[in-house]
Amino acid sequence: EIVLTQSPATLSLSPGEGATLSCRASQSVSSYLAWYQQKPGQAPRLLIYDASNRATGIPARFSGSGSGTDFSLAISILEPEDFAVYYCQQRSNWPLTFGGGTKVEIK
Amino acid sequence: EVQLVQSGAEVKKPGESLKLSCKTSGFSFRNYWIAWVRQVPGKGLEWVGIIYPGDHDTRYSPSFQGQVTISADTSITTAYLQWSSLKASDTAMYYCAKQSRGSACCDFDHWGQGALVTVSS
Repeated sequence: EIVLTQSPATLSLSPGEGATLSCRASQSVSSYLAWYQQKPGQAPRLLIYDASNRATGIPARFSGSGSGTDFSLAISILEPEDFAVYYCQQRSNWPLTFGGGTKVEIK
Repeated sequence: EVQLVQSGAEVKKPGESLKLSCKTSGFSFRNYWIAWVRQVPGKGLEWVGIIYPGDHDTRYSPSFQGQVTISADTSITTAYLQWSSLKASDTAMYYCAKQSRGSACCDFDHWGQGALVTVSS
């Protein structure tokens, strides 16, 4: 099973700042990595698929990069609605797996 | 419009059975993988398993293999997650989710609203 390790666990930032979240895989997942955003009481929302492709309707301030075992999600300018928990997920191998999440909180 | 509408919250006793449903519409049900994802309150996302309704190909996370059964009824475009004997540790929110692109499995672009399962004596 591929283990995804996200860091940091919590990121404390102010609106207007930039954020960079990391996801590291225990073995190569090629580019088969997705990122999701989850707000309290809501289902996850797909942001990025295949490492760097924005899903439909996702603002351009969200960008993904990486391949192999190291991936990043960048938020260029944090808007108030971006404070949430972010998860990565690999689809390279069964079983599908999620990372443990990074909480982006207001400083 | 793609929709996944899940059955409601459940309160059960240990040892009881349960079947959650995920009613879908707005896409070709037979041609997209449908996954189930667990989230214990205050914790992260865990992939439970997945089904391809077109041929009923089903895969499970090792953590859930033998503990749950995933099925689908193409006549009513509905997927199911069921337990024959619930445990307190099954208490969680359960989401169904639809594969995002027909060409590649699997990340998930549409999700149900979730169903909270509480198992307590």
